[in-house]
Amino acid sequence: QTVVTQEPSFSVSPGGTVTLTCGLSSGSVATTYYPSWYHQTPGQAPRTLIYNTNTRSSGVPDRFSGSILGNKAALTITGAQADDESDYYCVLYMGSGIWVFGGGTKLTVL
Amino acid sequence: EVQLVESGGGLVQPGGSLRLSCAASGFTFSTYWMHWVRQVPGKGLVWVSRIRADGSSTTYADSVKGRFTISRDNAKNTLYLQMNSLRAEDTAVYYCARDVQYGLADWGRGTLVTVSS
Repeated sequence: QTVVTQEPSFSVSPGGTVTLTCGLSSGSVATTYYPSWYHQTPGQAPRTLIYNTNTRSSGVPDRFSGSILGNKAALTITGAQADDESDYYCVLYMGSGIWVFGGGTKLTVL
Repeated sequence: EVQLVESGGGLVQPGGSLRLSCAASGFTFSTYWMHWVRQVPGKGLVWVSRIRADGSSTTYADSVKGRFTISRDNAKNTLYLQMNSLRAEDTAVYYCARDVQYGLADWGRGTLVTVSS
């Protein structure tokens, strides 16, 4: 069974730029997987950042951008802020009506 | 404004059943695919199920296939998840979400299901 992979943790300095990735245990992520990205803080529902690879969800600042980098989907955060901390998840559409989430990346801003 | 409000969670014994509801407003419910996603407290998100806009097609994660049934009532703008043969490992917060271009564009706040004797 294919596993969706994400970095377990990442750190960025305030004001810095960080790129989180979303890959496959076997194969390459392409736009046909319709990668999407979510941010979740403790006790809250996920907030959608990006869908369909690079479309920002309503109200999401342009500091957040999505792309395909090499064989992975990527979420780039520029000008990192303290409230960008916490968990980031990607999900991929695997075809046949099945979606699979990655395990999430815990981002620290310090 | 899109709103999704889940309800129906609670404590249920192993082997029991529960039906979750998700009341939708702020968009034309009947034209969107919908999903259920769950999350064990402190753990990651797990996709559970999806239903097409007209209810004609449903899909499930292997972990719930044969036990859970997703459905919708477009006249009532409501999504459902019927959960049978519940197990301890089904304990989680359950979220409903609206699909836009194969992404989960909007989420409810979730409802907690606890399976325990």
